[in-house]
Amino acid sequence: GAGVSQSPSNKVTEKGKDVELRCDPISGHTALYWYRQSLGQGLEFLIYFQGNSAPDKSGLPSDRFSAERTGGSVSTLTIQRTQQEDSAVYLCASSLGLGGPYEQYFGPGTRLTVT
Amino acid sequence: GEDVEQSLFLSVREGDSSVINCTYTDSSSTYLYWYKQEPGAGLQLLTYIFSNMDMKQDQRLTVLLNKKDKHLSLRIADTQTGDSAIYFCAESYSGGGADGLTFGKGTHLIIQP
Repeated sequence: GAGVSQSPSNKVTEKGKDVELRCDPISGHTALYWYRQSLGQGLEFLIYFQGNSAPDKSGLPSDRFSAERTGGSVSTLTIQRTQQEDSAVYLCASSLGLGGPYEQYFGPGTRLTVT
Repeated sequence: GEDVEQSLFLSVREGDSSVINCTYTDSSSTYLYWYKQEPGAGLQLLTYIFSNMDMKQDQRLTVLLNKKDKHLSLRIADTQTGDSAIYFCAESYSGGGADGLTFGKGTHLIIQP
């Protein structure tokens, strides 16, 4: 079956512009997670959704970051007024349920480059 | 705060065993994971261990957990060139709520012929 897909695969944007990253989870997976992978910070957890709800947004790096999920399926991560330090690979994962031992299946990521 | 530490590189000869080590600080960790990331590919779960276990074996993979020392290891027997990848140790706490995984920075496994 289809895995987690993300779009775009690569995005180059100018500093100060807004970007929107999309994640399509595996069908039937109620939990969805966003992570960021960068050279300096490794893999950082950003936010999770249970259904359409994100109970804890404290992992988002700044108030320029927001995320939403609609219909218990597709999620978008929006970064407003992008900065160079936002350059990273943004990974999305989904799982059947919350937390362990439910396996999180990862998408291929969106590589964001802010120039 | 939570922290997961790993060595950045490990070099082994083809056919030898690889042992990748990880230490973590959160004593409330419930599940510990090993993920593999090949060049240009996404993260793939290799195996996980529940914190009340001390060993788990799955074909060429053996996971050892020393909860007292908060030390986790992944042993890959008969290492092959296809095992070249970055291996991430990760932990989670399932205290009734969801959480993301806390990852180490990854160990680059380099296979020498």
